[in-house]
Amino acid sequence: QSALTQPASVSGSPGQSITISCTGTSSDIGYYNYVSWFQQHPGKVPKVVIYDVTNRPSGVSNRFSASKSGSTASLTISGLQPEDEADYYCTSFTRSFTWVFGGGTRLTVL
Amino acid sequence: EVQLVESGGDLVQPGGSLRLSCAASGFTFSVYWMHWVRQVPGKGLEWVSRVKPDGTSADYADAVKGRFTISRDNGHNTVYLQMNSLRGEDTALYFCVRDRPSWDWGQGTPVTVSS
Repeated sequence: QSALTQPASVSGSPGQSITISCTGTSSDIGYYNYVSWFQQHPGKVPKVVIYDVTNRPSGVSNRFSASKSGSTASLTISGLQPEDEADYYCTSFTRSFTWVFGGGTRLTVL
Repeated sequence: EVQLVESGGDLVQPGGSLRLSCAASGFTFSVYWMHWVRQVPGKGLEWVSRVKPDGTSADYADAVKGRFTISRDNGHNTVYLQMNSLRGEDTALYFCVRDRPSWDWGQGTPVTVSS
């Protein structure tokens, strides 16, 4: 049950686009289409922004999009806004019938 | 409105036990998998366990297998986490989470394992 691999930090200027990667294995991301992404602001509870690889819950900005290729999932945020500054976590279901999270990525909006 | 309210967190000595509860409301509890996820303040999220909607099956992270037991009472819309043989590394904020696609989270209950 090794954690998924995410970059520790990414940054971008307002209006720009950024992409956060989430690398797993053939036993998790590479096997199931059950990848979700969470946004967590300091002191707040995580909030889902993407579920099942590409699906955006109602109420989440369409500036958030995601994809998967092989064992790597990616979250893209376009038109960066100051309120996007937060920690982002990916998670995937695994062949062991467990879930595993990534280590988290701190997004800084410059 | 979906509500998940955790309780039971406390300061406990290493080797001790604790039972967390999560009271759910605002949705049909009995049809959802329910999870416990923990987070050390300032650190990342760690999945702990999940329980099947009818309570007949559960899965655990390796770090807690054999020490923690998840269960649920669909009659009272409550999910539990029995934690035994607690260690310092179990110190964290424990969240109750409703399964995908909505992934609703409670506010968490703090567990501190220390002598």
